[in-house]
Amino acid sequence: QKEVEQNSGPLSVPEGAIASLNCTYSDRGSQSFFWYRQYSGKSPELIMFIYSNGDKEDGRFTAQLNKASQYVSLLIRDSQPSDSATYLCAVNPSNQFYFGTGTSLTVIP
Amino acid sequence: EAQVTQNPRYLITVTGKKLTVTCSQNMNHEYMSWYRQDPGLGLRQIYYSMNVEVTDKGDVPEGYKVSRKEKRNFPLILESPSPNQTSLYFCASSGQQGNYEQYFGPGTRLTVT
Repeated sequence: QKEVEQNSGPLSVPEGAIASLNCTYSDRGSQSFFWYRQYSGKSPELIMFIYSNGDKEDGRFTAQLNKASQYVSLLIRDSQPSDSATYLCAVNPSNQFYFGTGTSLTVIP
Repeated sequence: EAQVTQNPRYLITVTGKKLTVTCSQNMNHEYMSWYRQDPGLGLRQIYYSMNVEVTDKGDVPEGYKVSRKEKRNFPLILESPSPNQTSLYFCASSGQQGNYEQYFGPGTRLTVT
């Protein structure tokens, strides 16, 4: 069983819609959860991190964490074409980091 | 400017020829790490370092070596590269021993023929 699972997509949403990205993880000891965005040919860049159950909002982005269900999600409101990228979920249950394979998002103008 | 730098950015080499990819950060971060990224497999951690002289294996350490003699530098060494090590490599650093976000270098595209 993989440590972190994501739907690979591709996920397509129209401009202005809400994009919902999901991630599940296997290690219940995980304490920190991260969402990274990666444009094609570029390095990952951090969008959000969340440590506590519930929601965390930052601009158009909301991360949601449910430790009981071992589930973390990212909502992107008012999606823009510039949001088209691959989104990586990451957890670090100890001192190691585990990444999902990423979900490819396309925002259609 | 706060950054993680890697060199070289692109490298084509032959099987068995030792190589080193350098990584340096200017943020005084304790935690540094190396990843490889392959299609369908995502980012996988090779080695990480919690601080100077402290290194640990990640998920895919076979065929790689690292050292951490200075806080800012964390080179990745392939002593006898093989074609299955052809990949995109990223170095990353983080403060607070990895409990916070990682900052990634620009990547090194390695091809082993």
